[in-house]
Amino acid sequence: DIQMTQSPSSLSASVGDRVTITCRASQSITKYLHWYQQKPGEVPKLLIHSASSLQSGVPSRFSGSGSGTDFTLTISSLQPGDFATYYCHQSYSVPQTFGQGTKVEIK
Amino acid sequence: EVHLVESGGGLVKPGGSLRLSCAASGFTFSIAWMNWVRQAPGKGLEWIGRITSETAGGTTDYAAPVKGRFSISRDDSKNTMYLQMSSLENEDTAVYFCTTDYPIWGSGSCNYWGQGTLVTVSS
Repeated sequence: DIQMTQSPSSLSASVGDRVTITCRASQSITKYLHWYQQKPGEVPKLLIHSASSLQSGVPSRFSGSGSGTDFTLTISSLQPGDFATYYCHQSYSVPQTFGQGTKVEIK
Repeated sequence: EVHLVESGGGLVKPGGSLRLSCAASGFTFSIAWMNWVRQAPGKGLEWIGRITSETAGGTTDYAAPVKGRFSISRDDSKNTMYLQMSSLENEDTAVYFCTTDYPIWGSGSCNYWGQGTLVTVSS
């Protein structure tokens, strides 16, 4: 099975900060990597699919990069509504797997 | 508009069984590959299984913790996917979501999610 390791597990940041979350796969997943945002009590929302494609309706301050085993989600300027938990997800092979999540909190 | 509506959750005793349904609308269900994802209380997301379209063989795949206990099926005439759960354990307590990658066909992403249905396994 492919293991997905996200880092950090949590971070504290201020509005306007640039935030970077990384996700590492235990083997190559080419570009079958997706990022989600989940706020408390809400359903996860797809932000980035296929490593770097911004999902329709998602603000352009979110971006994704990477291929193979190393991936990054970047929020260029953190906004109040961005405080949430972020997950990466590989769909390259079954069983598909999610990262353990990164909680972004207000500093 | 796309809708995924899960139903069938509830309280069940360890060792019991339950069948969840995911009713889909707003897209061509018959060509969709569908997933089940769960989230235990206060925990992260866990992919538990997938069913491909009938044209792709209708094949199913499962995560190790549920393999042999859970079974996914679909009825394209009803635009519905099912998750049959048996030999339930306390650790299966979670909100269960169905998802699809429509219209990002082939990405395997979870673009649309249902609202989830809560399964509680407890004596």
